[in-house]
Amino acid sequence: GQNIDQPTEMTATEGAIVQINCTYQTSGFNGLFWYQQHAGEAPTFLSYNVLDGLEEKGRFSSFLSRSKGYSYLLLKELQMKDSASYLCAVLDSNYQLIWGAGTKLIIKP
Amino acid sequence: DAMVIQNPRYQVTQFGKPVTLSCSQTLNHNVMYWYQQKSSQAPKLLFHYYDKDFNNEADTPDNFQSRRPNTSFCFLDIRSPGLGDAAMYLCATSSGQAGANVLTFGAGSRLTVL
Repeated sequence: GQNIDQPTEMTATEGAIVQINCTYQTSGFNGLFWYQQHAGEAPTFLSYNVLDGLEEKGRFSSFLSRSKGYSYLLLKELQMKDSASYLCAVLDSNYQLIWGAGTKLIIKP
Repeated sequence: DAMVIQNPRYQVTQFGKPVTLSCSQTLNHNVMYWYQQKSSQAPKLLFHYYDKDFNNEADTPDNFQSRRPNTSFCFLDIRSPGLGDAAMYLCATSSGQAGANVLTFGAGSRLTVL
């Protein structure tokens, strides 16, 4: 079967750095997405990785290792508005998106 | 601004009373999706359309139906809602082109079943 694993919940302090991990086992791989979802709202696109390495976009960076079936989302200089769920999703060999259940990130002052 | 709009944002219905949720898009995207998302769970794909080609996920209950009368609009019909159908229903679109097939989501329709 296909599976995406992420921690259920993480807590971090305003101004700090947090790393949210995602591991996957899928039938094929055509890219990995990270989405941000605030409570009661729709997911919004953060990043896409298809090659190994780090993609940096402002305070957010996303890393991929295809050989390890592993990705992480790194959030720097945390702000209170970063409190949200972060969803990892993988595009499999049939171009179907396989979603993780999301990591709820709680930011404390 | 180009966007995906869902109506209604909040829908309350009684057990067994049919519900229709709508989605419209101004992105001119080929692909439209309906997802069901329950609290703290991954979005679950119910259907998707590539243009007019309808694709039903194998485990989507018959209680759920969908229509796409034109490129811009898509509807989700729940014929006889049960308590287990209470969820957020998310409409999303994508261009359908190869590569980073990013989904653009609407704000969602939250369904409550009494």
